[in-house]
Amino acid sequence: GENVEQHPSTLSVQEGDSAVIKCTYSDSASNYFPWYKQELGKRPQLIIDIRSNVGEKKDQRIAVTLNKTAKHFSLHITETQPEDSAVYFCAASLGNNDMRFGAGTRLTVKP
Amino acid sequence: KAGVTQTPRYLIKTRGQQVTLSCSPISGHRSVSWYQQTPGQGLQFLFEYFSETQRNKGNFPGRFSGRQFSNSRSEMNVSTLELGDSALYLCASSRTGAGETQYFGPGTRLLVL
Repeated sequence: GENVEQHPSTLSVQEGDSAVIKCTYSDSASNYFPWYKQELGKRPQLIIDIRSNVGEKKDQRIAVTLNKTAKHFSLHITETQPEDSAVYFCAASLGNNDMRFGAGTRLTVKP
Repeated sequence: KAGVTQTPRYLIKTRGQQVTLSCSPISGHRSVSWYQQTPGQGLQFLFEYFSETQRNKGNFPGRFSGRQFSNSRSEMNVSTLELGDSALYLCASSRTGAGETQYFGPGTRLLVL
């Protein structure tokens, strides 16, 4: 099955700085890569996703890039704000209804 | 449209007991996936159901089982509970499952004493 590794496990940035979280996956057949944000005590919420036929996708301050050759994808958050503080999970799916998640990155944005 | 709901929200059991958790997907969603979330292991995939059939299963022992009803509501059951089963159990629904956005429920927090 798919194996997803996520780095770093914790990330602390100053408000206004950028944050980058990276994930690698093992199965080259994976074709769907969502990113979820989970605030303390809340359910994971999708913030952005990308499919294997696209190299980059952007939504305001959030962007995701995908390198299929290297089998890695990254989340980029620019102009970070304290409300961006949360745990972020990447995931990869083979499109066979089996979604595998990374271990999560705890992002702290210091005011 | 109402979101994914899970019941109960909190549960305390003792070792050896069994437990059943329920998940109601978003209306029109036919795929329901279950995950176990623990601080050290992140989100671990348990299984996925579509049209009352289990399509995929993660690496969990046979004590973890599930089912889906004709209205797409799903239940998961854990028998012979162990201390290590203490976790937040999340379900997520999507229309058909295959590479689609999953919407998570609030989770059921299970504590095994």
